[in-house]
Amino acid sequence: GAVVSQHPSWVICKSGTSVKIECRSLDFQATTMFWYRQFPKQSLMLMATSNEGSKATYEQGVEKDKFLINHASLTLSTLTVTSAHPEDSSFYICSARTGITSYEQYFGPGTRLTVT
Amino acid sequence: AQSVTQLDSQVPVFEEAPVELRCNYSSSVSVYLFWYVQYPNQGLQLLLKYLSGSTLVKGINGFEAEFNKSQTSFHLRKPSVHISDTAEYFCAVSERGYKLSFGAGTTVTVRA
Repeated sequence: GAVVSQHPSWVICKSGTSVKIECRSLDFQATTMFWYRQFPKQSLMLMATSNEGSKATYEQGVEKDKFLINHASLTLSTLTVTSAHPEDSSFYICSARTGITSYEQYFGPGTRLTVT
Repeated sequence: AQSVTQLDSQVPVFEEAPVELRCNYSSSVSVYLFWYVQYPNQGLQLLLKYLSGSTLVKGINGFEAEFNKSQTSFHLRKPSVHISDTAEYFCAVSERGYKLSFGAGTTVTVRA
């Protein structure tokens, strides 16, 4: 149980275009989802926290207009990178939590974004 | 604010030898502690967690960790490693079970 999927697993896009990444909880309802960014050989950095039906909370230094997060249902959250640039190339990982008081996060397999 | 320091960035180890990965944390309140493993181009898999109770925690794949409150440490150990344990390992801390803060990671390379 507690499986989280991400789609696509790998995407290449041209500079200036937008790309959407989906994060789905397959066998549970996720009241909260988290989006992380990971540069090569580095740790995970939390970008934002999203609760179903409400606006995402962004971490300091993350551009909310560039990284649009939508948590439209209890099983789906999306991250849209708008007007992507090469410096946005990274590994994006989502995680999901079953409830406000739940301590454990279940991680997706990640999405590799390359902006050319 | 919570923070995590992983004291070893790279740990080379021979197959069947023991390994210890060191993790120290900083927090002003009680915390939950986690160890995750990440294989290349994959997400994170939970190895083990400490929430409360016994300070010795056993996880998957033969790993265990010991919570030491006085030293604010949560070191990960495995008595005998396999080639398949080659991966990146992350220690993480969570205050009141909400946001996770990750350490910088430790690369474990197991050699035959």
